[in-house]
Amino acid sequence: NAGVTQTPKFRILKIGQSMTLQCAQDMNHNYMYWYRQDPGMGLKLIYYSVGAGITDKGEVPNGYNVSRSTTEDFPLRLELAAPSQTSVYFCASRAGQPFQPQHFGDGTRLSIL
Amino acid sequence: GNSVTQMEGPVTLSEEAFLTINCTYTATGYPSLFWYVQYPGEGLQLLLKATKADDKGSNKGFEATYRKETTSFHLEKGSVQVSDSAVYFCALSKGRSGSGGGADGLTFGKGTHLIIQP
Repeated sequence: NAGVTQTPKFRILKIGQSMTLQCAQDMNHNYMYWYRQDPGMGLKLIYYSVGAGITDKGEVPNGYNVSRSTTEDFPLRLELAAPSQTSVYFCASRAGQPFQPQHFGDGTRLSIL
Repeated sequence: GNSVTQMEGPVTLSEEAFLTINCTYTATGYPSLFWYVQYPGEGLQLLLKATKADDKGSNKGFEATYRKETTSFHLEKGSVQVSDSAVYFCALSKGRSGSGGGADGLTFGKGTHLIIQP
């Protein structure tokens, strides 16, 4: 039962570097989400997607980009890493029926130094 | 906009004590309400949910009732165990927005760290 899989689990970047956080789900869910979790705070929505080819901004999209070429994958791209992007990133998915819960991956811990 | 407020932690209890974690919300429309739990080093797991007023969600001895009149969704458990030590998040999703109940993500509280001592 893989569910939502995120890679890598940990990463250290230098300021200005770029990287892609990978997210894949095997539940055939249409909806997918990226959140960031900062210490002592709840999760904040970065981007979300309601299906392949469709993405939209969440609460904190600046500095990030996403794409959704398949139902299964929803990568998150950081183009120019900044210290403010140090956080734990969670990917989630859910079925399209009303009131379904989101299923989360185990997260990627990212440090920008 | 939507918001969720939950009690600050950490909350420290002895094993077998009664637990209440308060959660109140502000939202337009008819949100769905959730409690998620996060164990160290892991992602969030759904604990329970309620989708309309007066619904009671329950799971693993935890309960929460959707109270629209007080805009609350307090989490309770009658007798906690050491294994319940975790961070608990209250969350809501926009309801009945035409796209099936919250396509645009969850709004989370800041989380409550629960510590159960033997």
